[in-house]
Amino acid sequence: NAGVTQTPKFRVLKTGQSMTLLCAQDMNHEYMYWYRQDPGMGLRLIHYSVGEGTTAKGEVPDGYNVSRLKKQNFLLGLESAAPSQTSVYFCASSTPDRAANYGYTFGSGTRLTVV
Amino acid sequence: GEDVEQSLFLSVREGDSSVINCTYTDSSSTYLYWYKQEPGAGLQLLTYIFSNMDMKQDQRLTVLLNKKDKHLSLRIADTQTGDSAIYFCAEDEGRRALTFGSGTRLQVQP
Repeated sequence: NAGVTQTPKFRVLKTGQSMTLLCAQDMNHEYMYWYRQDPGMGLRLIHYSVGEGTTAKGEVPDGYNVSRLKKQNFLLGLESAAPSQTSVYFCASSTPDRAANYGYTFGSGTRLTVV
Repeated sequence: GEDVEQSLFLSVREGDSSVINCTYTDSSSTYLYWYKQEPGAGLQLLTYIFSNMDMKQDQRLTVLLNKKDKHLSLRIADTQTGDSAIYFCAEDEGRRALTFGSGTRLQVQP
């Protein structure tokens, strides 16, 4: 039972390059989320999805795009990476009611550095 | 706006109790959570409390909720070096996503 798997775990990009982060979950969860974590700022929501084929903007969506073509996968794209996007990215999934006593299930994170 | 506030740092000695505090924003939040993040890892759910409760105890963990003041606390009894981590509180307003605090780094000194 893998839970939420993120790939890659680490990546270094040059400014202007593009890349896609993959999140996969095997719990049949409807909702999926992408957050970024920066020191002293907690987790900030980038984009989220409440079901296959649907996505919505979170708190800090600029510079990112997402797609949810399959229920189990949620992709985060950076079209033209900037140093300000250096961060640790976390994917999470949940049931619609967050199954109260479980909240989110998180992936282990992707550490991205843009030089 | 949605701001969940926590102090950034707490240092305790091994064997002492730790108390991590959090203030949240929405009095209609249904669930409040505490997550633990160890270095280089993702967030793991530690415990949660339903909004109609004022206290929940789970082994060494005690969660206190003061709805009037929108204040949540996590007490860790007999703190161990393995408890050193960042602790996040989060509120669930029943809308799009959980809102997280900025995290409190707990340092346990031997």
